[in-house]
Amino acid sequence: NAGVMQNPRHLVRRRGQEARLRCSPMKGHSHVYWYRQLPEEGLKFMVYLQKENIIDESGMPKERFSAEFPKEGPSILRIQQVVRGDSAAYFCASSPSQGTDTQYFGPGTRLTVL
Amino acid sequence: SQQGEEDPQALSIQEGENATMNCSYKTSINNLQWYRQNSGRGLVHLILIRSNEREKHSGRLRVTLDTSKKSSSLLITASRAADTASYFCATVQDKLTFGTGTQLKVEL
Repeated sequence: NAGVMQNPRHLVRRRGQEARLRCSPMKGHSHVYWYRQLPEEGLKFMVYLQKENIIDESGMPKERFSAEFPKEGPSILRIQQVVRGDSAAYFCASSPSQGTDTQYFGPGTRLTVL
Repeated sequence: SQQGEEDPQALSIQEGENATMNCSYKTSINNLQWYRQNSGRGLVHLILIRSNEREKHSGRLRVTLDTSKKSSSLLITASRAADTASYFCATVQDKLTFGTGTQLKVEL
């Protein structure tokens, strides 16, 4: 049973470009969570999704950021018109049920904005 | 300050010694979890303790939870160099809220 997969592992974008980060949850998991980690800091919750639904997006910036988890395929975190402050590690986690249970984390995508 | 703050921020010990990390939080919780993160890698779940539990063991790990003081501790016994990592507590209400982490360095 493969773990949570994220790609790409590293992504470099210039200011103003778009970044698309992908997350495939563990098999049988229908709940996906995205977190952002700035250097030397803990993870900050961004968004919680189930298939085709956004359950909690209280941690998402109001502009430029969006997330989806379609019926088929991976969950996507999309950042439009990236700025240098978006440089961070973005982690995806999945769980079989609602988030009070253990979440299983992917290896993360390290976004660098030049 | 945020929910879930670890103390100390950094800890350096010799192999074989015990390491203790503390976590304080502010609001009521369903459970509290500890995670480890090796440098540049994702998080690995270590242990979950529910709000009605006071102590839990897993191998060389011992976690305590004091809901009256809103605090938890993680004890790693007989540390090894491979335990070198950052350790985060995460409190759970409807979602995980992570602390800022303790950087543990175990030296040979």
